[in-house]
Amino acid sequence: DGGITQSPKYLFRKEGQNVTLSCEQNLNHDAMYWYRQDPGQGLRLIYYSQIVNDFQKGDIAEGYSVSREKKESFPLTVTSAQKNPTAFYLCASSIGKGQVVYEQYFGPGTRLTVT
Amino acid sequence: QQQVKQSPQSLIVQKGGISIINCAYENTAFDYFPWYQQFPGKGPALLIAIRPDVSEKKEGRFTISFNKSAKQFSLHIMDSQPGDSATYFCAASTAGGGNKLTFGTGTQLKVEL
Repeated sequence: DGGITQSPKYLFRKEGQNVTLSCEQNLNHDAMYWYRQDPGQGLRLIYYSQIVNDFQKGDIAEGYSVSREKKESFPLTVTSAQKNPTAFYLCASSIGKGQVVYEQYFGPGTRLTVT
Repeated sequence: QQQVKQSPQSLIVQKGGISIINCAYENTAFDYFPWYQQFPGKGPALLIAIRPDVSEKKEGRFTISFNKSAKQFSLHIMDSQPGDSATYFCAASTAGGGNKLTFGTGTQLKVEL
């Protein structure tokens, strides 16, 4: 089946620990995105990558880091510098070529709880 | 900051009725306007999308109406069903901006029997 996989579905961490969220896609999409969802605030863009080995900050990148070493993978690290890390994290991908806007497809999400 | 304003925050509709959700945007460079449906604990699923060269797009019971001059677009769900109960998000993006989506804050729809 083609799609976007995020693991794990639920993640619990102690405050002060870094944690890495996995995102894998087998859609052969060039572009990948990370969003954060909080109640009543919609989705906010953390980081995005349009090509391997390149990525850009989104609107709320502070306290997060990413890598894009492979086309199909875009892991997100939530560092201890992120002040309010508890949230629902969503990964998305799109064809993302050139100056045409393409549909973004989302994974199932990872719910991170930091105590 | 680019914004997309969505209303209402919540909506209750009777089965068979019409659900209407509205969004307004500020950035005239936006050229793609999708709607997503999200069930609790799941990722958003693309429902329907429109580009500004048309004023309306219909797919089954779902219709997007687009008013470029007013910078507004809306989602109409005809013959609403209990299975449509979900959170709906409008969004907007521009090809020149890395295809980044700017989302509205969501509308929680409940369709009652």
